[in-house]
Amino acid sequence: DAGVIQSPRHEVTEMGQEVTLRCKPISGHDYLFWYRQTMMRGLELLIYFNNNVPIDDSGMPEDRFSAKMPNASFSTLKIQPSEPRDSAVYFCASRKGLAGGYTYEQYFGPGTRLTVT
Amino acid sequence: AQTVTQSQPEMSVQEAETVTLSCTYDTSENNYYLFWYKQPPSRQMILVIRQEAYKQQNATENRFSVNFQKAAKSFSLKISDSQLGDTAMYFCAAGRRGTSYGKLTFGQGTILTVHP
Repeated sequence: DAGVIQSPRHEVTEMGQEVTLRCKPISGHDYLFWYRQTMMRGLELLIYFNNNVPIDDSGMPEDRFSAKMPNASFSTLKIQPSEPRDSAVYFCASRKGLAGGYTYEQYFGPGTRLTVT
Repeated sequence: AQTVTQSQPEMSVQEAETVTLSCTYDTSENNYYLFWYKQPPSRQMILVIRQEAYKQQNATENRFSVNFQKAAKSFSLKISDSQLGDTAMYFCAAGRRGTSYGKLTFGQGTILTVHP
């Protein structure tokens, strides 16, 4: 099986620009998670979806961040406008839900390294 | 709410030796899972091992084993016969068991360096 796929792997953009990160979860997984990792704050959960519905977005830093999951095989995390403090590695992860037999472990994508100058 | 604490920011070990990474957690839940993830320099997060809290038997995966002390809320990872490829940051994580609850809470990580 293909793992979680993220694109792009690296993104360099200028302050004020819109950034869109993409994720394809593992087929059959009902949960999708977006994380941000920085040296200062460690690994932070931004938002997660269950069956394409956002369940908890309390980790989304501010209105500049938005996430969507239009179908079971695709999700986006958008930052508009981007700021230098958004520079981080953004991970997408997925896991099985009830239909797949709960195992609870999350499988991570390779991450997107975002640099905002 | 759950909290996970890894008190060792960095550890080092000689190749072929054994090392133990510490993790403590705090939860009011009775049903939960615990995990160790590994993040090598490639930054890919890799599941190492998982433990179901209702099981008393400690989980083992090849050279990796855990010491799960439920009463003490401790979940340490033992790596036997350390290899250079074990060099990575290791994260402890806890998650509540339940139908729609999805979150994992991660510790701050321990950087492990295996020396030749």
